[in-house]
This record gives sequence, structure tokens and C-alpha cells, in this order.
Amino acid sequence: KAGVTQTPRYLIKTRGQQVTLSCSPISGHRSVSWYQQTPGQGLQFLFEYFSETQRNKGNFPGRFSGRQFSNSRSEMNVSTLELGDSALYLCASRGGQGTDTQYFGPGTRLTVL
Amino acid sequence: AQTVTQSQPEMSVQEAETVTLSCTYDTSENNYYLFWYKQPPSRQMILVIRQEAYKQQNATENRFSVNFQKAAKSFSLKISDSQLGDTAMYFCAFMKQNQGAQKLVFGQGTRLTINP
Repeated sequence: KAGVTQTPRYLIKTRGQQVTLSCSPISGHRSVSWYQQTPGQGLQFLFEYFSETQRNKGNFPGRFSGRQFSNSRSEMNVSTLELGDSALYLCASRGGQGTDTQYFGPGTRLTVL
Repeated sequence: AQTVTQSQPEMSVQEAETVTLSCTYDTSENNYYLFWYKQPPSRQMILVIRQEAYKQQNATENRFSVNFQKAAKSFSLKISDSQLGDTAMYFCAFMKQNQGAQKLVFGQGTRLTINP
């Protein structure tokens, strides 16, 4: 099976702009989670989607949002970008209810100037 | 809230040696999962090994094994016959056993360098 894919791999934006990141899970996986990785804060959970519904949300401002489509692909949107949003954004998929292991994509490196 | 602590920010060993990475966690849950992920310079997060808390037997995957001490809330990773390709950041992670929403709680990571 193909792994989790994320696009784009690298992104440069300026403060105030908005950005959309995309994640395609492993075929058959219905759950997609997003994580932010920074040198200072480490890996932090953003949100999880299952069957197009957000089931869990981390402690991030409302500028961070997401959605999931019927084919399980997910997008994450960050509006009004701040310098502190510069990070590696990782997407992970798992099979669904009752399955516990998350498999990660290669990440999207976002730089905010 | 759950917390995961990795007390060794960096470690360095020679190729073929055995190395142990430490991890402790804090939780009031009885049913949960523990994971070790590695993140090489490519930044791809790769699952190394997983452990269900209800299983007393320690998980093993080839050269990788864990020492799971539930009462002490300790979950260390042992890498035997270390190889240059093992050089990476290693993250310990905790997840509640939950039929619904799930999230991983990560430690700060240990940077492991295998020297030739």
C-alpha cells in the first residue's frame, strides 16, 4: 500500500496570508490526525478527523482549522499567518475505530516570513 | 492530562553497540498504548515499536525491544547491534485506549547518533 502523502512538501508564506495543506491517508484508513512540530514546543496535536467529522481538537487558536472529505483526504488551513506558525506539519492516518497505530506522512515544512 | 518525559536529549554510541533510550510517562489511565517513533534527517516519522499496556510481555521488533514497567510508568527502548541507519531523533509517545477520538502525546525526543 502507498503510504501517507502530504502536499506541498515545502511552503513559504508571509505574515497575514493564509495557507492550506493537504493530506492523503493510506488507502482504507478513515482517520486523519494533524500535528505541529517546532523546535521549541516539540510535537503537538492539532486535530483528528474521522469520517468527515472532527473528533478531537488540540489547544490551538481558531486560526487553525481542518476538514475531511468523503474519500478520507484531509486539508488543514491556517489563516492570518504569524511568524510562530513556522513549523513542520505532520499528518497521520490510522484504520479507524479500534485501531491504534498512526502512520505518518513526510510532512509539510511551512516557513512564515 | 498525560505527560511523557525523555530525560536524555542526546546520546551517541559506536556502531554495533547496544543503546537504551529512556522514557517515563504520567497518566491515571489503566488502558493505553505506548509507541516509539524514529525521525531521521529526512523528517519522516517512522513507527519503531508499540506496546499495549494490558500486555505484560515486552514488545520486540528485530533489533528493537522495550522494557515496559507499568507500575513505574517507564517505557525504555533498547537497540541492539546498532547500525548507522539508526541515527535519528527518537520519540516516545502515549495514547489512551479509546474507541473514539485518539491523539498521541509525545516526549521531547532523544537525538541518537551512531558513530562508525
